[in-house]
Amino acid sequence: GEDVEQSLFLSVREGDSSVINCTYTDSSSTYLYWYKQEPGAGLQLLTYIFSNMDMKQDQRLTVLLNKKDKHLSLRIADTQTGDSAIYFCAEKAQAGTALIFGKGTTLSVSS
Amino acid sequence: DTGVSQNPRHKITKRGQNVTFRCDPISEHNRLYWYRQTLGQGPEFLTYFQNEAQLEKSRLLSDRFSAERPKGSFSTLEIQRTEQGDSAMYLCASSLSTDQPQHFGDGTRLSIL
Repeated sequence: GEDVEQSLFLSVREGDSSVINCTYTDSSSTYLYWYKQEPGAGLQLLTYIFSNMDMKQDQRLTVLLNKKDKHLSLRIADTQTGDSAIYFCAEKAQAGTALIFGKGTTLSVSS
Repeated sequence: DTGVSQNPRHKITKRGQNVTFRCDPISEHNRLYWYRQTLGQGPEFLTYFQNEAQLEKSRLLSDRFSAERPKGSFSTLEIQRTEQGDSAMYLCASSLSTDQPQHFGDGTRLSIL
């Protein structure tokens, strides 16, 4: 079945780069997403990548996709304290409409 | 773009009561989704509407749950005879098409006493 795995915690210092990793199992995934969730709030779409791409850059965010290994990563350059949140990786299978989410990675940024 | 709006933000109720949540999607989006998120987990898909038609339901949507989208605009999610296990954040999302990203509201947090 479909499954998305993420490491649970990441701690970085302000100004450093953060790299959040995700693995997925469904080889038919068409789109892969990164969402951010702050306490008590919903999910904010950060970026997404189509499965025929291997990299996408958007300001401080870089997404890398290794389709062969089913591995997705999100790099945040110059991490700020405001980036502290839970980051969710999600996949959308070719046949479906539902997003399948990982359990989320809690990013803690210290000054 | 006013975003996806959900009401109420918080709902506290006693076990056995019925509750109803409302979701107003982004205005031009005809796809609408409901998810449930429990503590420490990612959101889990419940159901999907294209316009007023409910096209997909997950096995998580027991017969105590019903969702509607009568005019293809706002949607309601009703839970009858609530149980402790229903305590969760209920998230609504909308999209322009199934190939476009889903945009989420801030959710309704349900607490069952």
